[in-house]
Amino acid sequence: NAGVTQTPKFQVLKTGQSMTLQCAQDMNHEYMSWYRQDPGMGLRLIHYSVGAGITDQGEVPNGYNVSRSTTEDFPLRLLSAAPSQTSVYFCASSLTGTNEKLFFGSGTQLSVL
Amino acid sequence: TQLLEQSPQFLSIQEGENLTVYCNSSSVFSSLQWYRQEPGEGPVLLVTVVTGGEVKKLKRLTFQFGDARKDSSLHITAAQPGDTGLYLCAGAPDSWGKLQFGAGTQVVVTP
Repeated sequence: NAGVTQTPKFQVLKTGQSMTLQCAQDMNHEYMSWYRQDPGMGLRLIHYSVGAGITDQGEVPNGYNVSRSTTEDFPLRLLSAAPSQTSVYFCASSLTGTNEKLFFGSGTQLSVL
Repeated sequence: TQLLEQSPQFLSIQEGENLTVYCNSSSVFSSLQWYRQEPGEGPVLLVTVVTGGEVKKLKRLTFQFGDARKDSSLHITAAQPGDTGLYLCAGAPDSWGKLQFGAGTQVVVTP
């Protein structure tokens, strides 16, 4: 049972480049979310989805896009990377909602130069 | 501004000592979760508390939810090097609210 799988593990971008962080879960979870983790700031919610075809903004959505075409996949797109987006990104899922146990992926460490 | 304030930010202790980590807020939460995160990995859920005054035990870890559901604590008895990690609290203001995380407490237990 793979759980939540994130790729890539590490990525270096130049300012202005675009890229997609991949997230897939095999637990048939309805709820999926993306967080960024920065030193001293904890985990901050970027975007989340309560089911296929439904997405909503979190606390820090600017500069990021998401879509949820299937239950399993929830990719995060950086449209034009900026140094302020240097961070560690985590995808998480739960069965139905935020009050339940969140299962996290192992993270993507992104550096924007 | 963090909705959930964790203290201390960093704690270094010797094996066998006890420690307490605090998670405080001015807001009421319908539930509060504690996670532990190890380097290079995502957080892993330790416990969820939902009732004011609730106490849950997980081996040497004791979790308490404040009576007013605004704060929580994590107490580790006789800490071991395997307890080393970043401890995060997370709360939801209501059943449909977005989960908010504290900044975390880094715990280092040396042999």
